[in-house]
Amino acid sequence: GAVVSQHPSRVICKSGTSVKIECRSLDFQATTMFWYRQFPKQSLMLMATSNEGSKATYEQGVEKDKFLINHASLTLSTLTVTSAHPEDSSFYICSASGHVEAFFGQGTRLTVV
Amino acid sequence: EDQVTQSPEALRLQEGESSSLNCSYTVSGLRGLFWYRQDPGKGPEFLFTLYSAGEEKEKERLKATLTKKESFLHITAPKPEDSATYLCAVQAYSGAGSYQLTFGKGTKLSVIP
Repeated sequence: GAVVSQHPSRVICKSGTSVKIECRSLDFQATTMFWYRQFPKQSLMLMATSNEGSKATYEQGVEKDKFLINHASLTLSTLTVTSAHPEDSSFYICSASGHVEAFFGQGTRLTVV
Repeated sequence: EDQVTQSPEALRLQEGESSSLNCSYTVSGLRGLFWYRQDPGKGPEFLFTLYSAGEEKEKERLKATLTKKESFLHITAPKPEDSATYLCAVQAYSGAGSYQLTFGKGTKLSVIP
């Protein structure tokens, strides 16, 4: 399958700071990228969908000013968690799709202290 | 509203004991149904895409089938390394030229030696 690289895999930050997570499709062009959040022992919760060159579409209840998504190219999308708080601690996963199938990154474990 | 229901929530099998996981769905305009495997602390790993009723795909000990209402993931003679959470997702047309991916909550499979 296609390769999606997500970086970093783990990050610890202080409350009030911002954290950027990168998602790259390494061997295909991703017209659509998805960002998910996953709580322990629960399924994936879609946060937003972004198409290259367009503004992201956020799911209901997801603060777009807090979770900034940029999809500037067909191979890169970034999620920036601004002014992070301990309740933002979670596992964040990106997914990239070129045609039909969606392939996932390895996930980022964010811990806000 | 598109819905995806997976059952059972958890399944314990003895090594070599074959079984099936179920994914029931109600969507309008199904584009594809996907199966993923997720290990703890990692992003989902793509397994199969099924596009139309009657289609089957196999990979090692796994076989996925699709009907108009559900999909099954058959596991033949499982091994402990097959232990993981298996996620089902459906992609359907959501209007304005876009598609939505809806995930089930997953089935946590444990294979006991």
